[in-house]
Amino acid sequence: SQTIHQWPATLVQPVGSPLSLECTVEGTSNPNLYWYRQAAGRGLQLLFYSVGIGQISSEVPQNLSASRPQDRQFILSSKKLLLSDSGFYLCARTTVLNTEAFFGQGTRLTVV
Amino acid sequence: SQQGEEDPQALSIQEGENATMNCSYKTSINNLQWYRQNSGRGLVHLILIRSNEREKHSGRLRVTLDTSKKSSSLLITASRAADTASYFCATDLGNQGGKLIFGQGTELSVKP
Repeated sequence: SQTIHQWPATLVQPVGSPLSLECTVEGTSNPNLYWYRQAAGRGLQLLFYSVGIGQISSEVPQNLSASRPQDRQFILSSKKLLLSDSGFYLCARTTVLNTEAFFGQGTRLTVV
Repeated sequence: SQQGEEDPQALSIQEGENATMNCSYKTSINNLQWYRQNSGRGLVHLILIRSNEREKHSGRLRVTLDTSKKSSSLLITASRAADTASYFCATDLGNQGGKLIFGQGTELSVKP
């Protein structure tokens, strides 16, 4: 199984509120994990990627952070959401040997 | 900055016609991949072409890669209404543990 679980599917949060999006992966150990954000009608912007527990690379400066407390768990967080944090957030995984990415179904975040 | 850039941004064709989408990238790659995204969903991997390959086929899909021009094309033959989706190229730079950088995508509409 290459299943990636992402939740929630949709989320509406007020400006200034905290955020926690969780992604869990089945079917492989030591995956590379990714958080992407997609604005409406646009491509995917890589936010964070992780090659192992506790190892996080940030691709762009922003209001968000990521953590990987377990091998198959990747969390996207914010202490205080901004309007510009609205978007479609996608979790994905690859492996070192197989760079074909499998994606979760995404979380649509609206900050109001 | 985005590694991959697709063109056209949008393409509208009739069922039965062929659809061609192009992708250009900036730096050397290990492989290039094409993905499909239905509206509001996660991305699904279509095909991967390695840097030492020039052409690859999968069903009605044909991908070409020209590393001298840093470009790739995706051809969908005999298109169907069900092919309506956004299509993205993604490049694996090969030296960063399989990190994938996505382009902005081509929105394909196939009219019945």
